[in-house]
Amino acid sequence: DQQVKQNSPSLSVQEGRISILNCDYTNSMFDYFLWYKKYPAEGPTFLISISSIKDKNEDGRFTVFLNKSAKHLSLHIVPSQPGDSAVYFCAAPRGSQGNLIFGKGTKLSVKP
Amino acid sequence: DTGVSQDPRHKITKRGQNVTFRCDPISEHNRLYWYRQTLGQGPEFLTYFQNEAQLEKSRLLSDRFSAERPKGSFSTLEIQRTEQGDSAMYLCASSLARSTEAFFGQGTRLTVV
Repeated sequence: DQQVKQNSPSLSVQEGRISILNCDYTNSMFDYFLWYKKYPAEGPTFLISISSIKDKNEDGRFTVFLNKSAKHLSLHIVPSQPGDSAVYFCAAPRGSQGNLIFGKGTKLSVKP
Repeated sequence: DTGVSQDPRHKITKRGQNVTFRCDPISEHNRLYWYRQTLGQGPEFLTYFQNEAQLEKSRLLSDRFSAERPKGSFSTLEIQRTEQGDSAMYLCASSLARSTEAFFGQGTRLTVV
């Protein structure tokens, strides 16, 4: 049962434009969400997070939006840069243990 | 470098051999996690430790897998009698007990031939 879903395996955008990566979840008990970025041959690195008591969190070029009623969150990157090309994972912690449930990831390609 | 360190980065082994991976977490982090990632998938949770205690194991962790964290510092993950299906990236992460932000190492890529 895939509790965190990223339905777009890949996304291609032009440099300077907005990248929007989507994530859906099924477990209404999730109260925190994280986005990780992964380059090839490296481990995931934390990017940004959001608590379920908020509907938006912004950090520089990165903004995460949460729509609890739709069980949907999205990561906006604006403006997109070629260095943003990576695989982006949406994740939610399971209970108090902190172990994360990840989506399958979306590969973002930002073209110069 | 004070991040999470994993060793080796790559391991090629013959089917049926045993392999052991090591993870050194960020020093003040008391939680340590092991994940496995296969092609086209996100990382999947295997097991986690709080200090030296192994508190949870996933159903993915068969009897051939064992993890330890003696003294609550570094951790080892051993796979006995490796199978081709064990080929994957094995990721270690650490965090503070009350934080949901986990820091990942660069992973160990295992190839079973």
